[in-house]
Amino acid sequence: ETGVTQTPRHLVMGMTNKKSLKCEQHLGHNAMYWYKQSAKKPLELMFVYNFKEQTENNSVPSRFSPECPNSSHLFLHLHTLQPEDSALYLCASSQDYRLTGASYEQYFGPGTRLTVT
Amino acid sequence: LAKTTQPVSMDSYEGQEVNITCSHNNIATNDYITWYQQFPSQGPRFIIQGYKTKVTNEVASLFIPADRKSSTLSLPRVSLSDTAVYYCLVGDDGSGNTGKLIFGQGTTLQVKP
Repeated sequence: ETGVTQTPRHLVMGMTNKKSLKCEQHLGHNAMYWYKQSAKKPLELMFVYNFKEQTENNSVPSRFSPECPNSSHLFLHLHTLQPEDSALYLCASSQDYRLTGASYEQYFGPGTRLTVT
Repeated sequence: LAKTTQPVSMDSYEGQEVNITCSHNNIATNDYITWYQQFPSQGPRFIIQGYKTKVTNEVASLFIPADRKSSTLSLPRVSLSDTAVYYCLVGDDGSGNTGKLIFGQGTTLQVKP
């Protein structure tokens, strides 16, 4: 138990569906992240929020839309996804988001296994 | 861009010490070296972070030579539960931002009985 929860744990959706992934952290952290992990590929950073403000968007397609209403909650809204978007989506949080020096330890949730049919 | 190179896989036996070496020839002056562990279908877990010489915590040790072009994660007396993928991460993505973690392929450690 890392203090970061994600729901749902598994999701199957069609390409025309709209769904949302939810992440909640109980650690009092200020930074939250979305990562994508496809089969046999390294984790890819998608978005970073620091104090509810988006600070990083790693050229993610617009069919992925993040939302961070407060420092404890992070959503990833999904619409018109493609089969190649099937992956494990991981949420993480850290105390803060440091631009230089040592990176803050990131605490990851268990992930949502997404299958797009 | 400080990239890392580490073995794709390693095998070990229970009770042995495991050393995983990571090469980062282009490490920048202000880059730190961080290691994460990931079990199947779980998110990565922070193991250790260091800048130079040796860092030790309750889980592992990190050895960094003076030139900092490589580092070695040492896991003492591994058990079957240490079977996982181990990622070595260095500094930033080239833009000076160390808040972003850039994961490589990692080293898959298989511990055998």
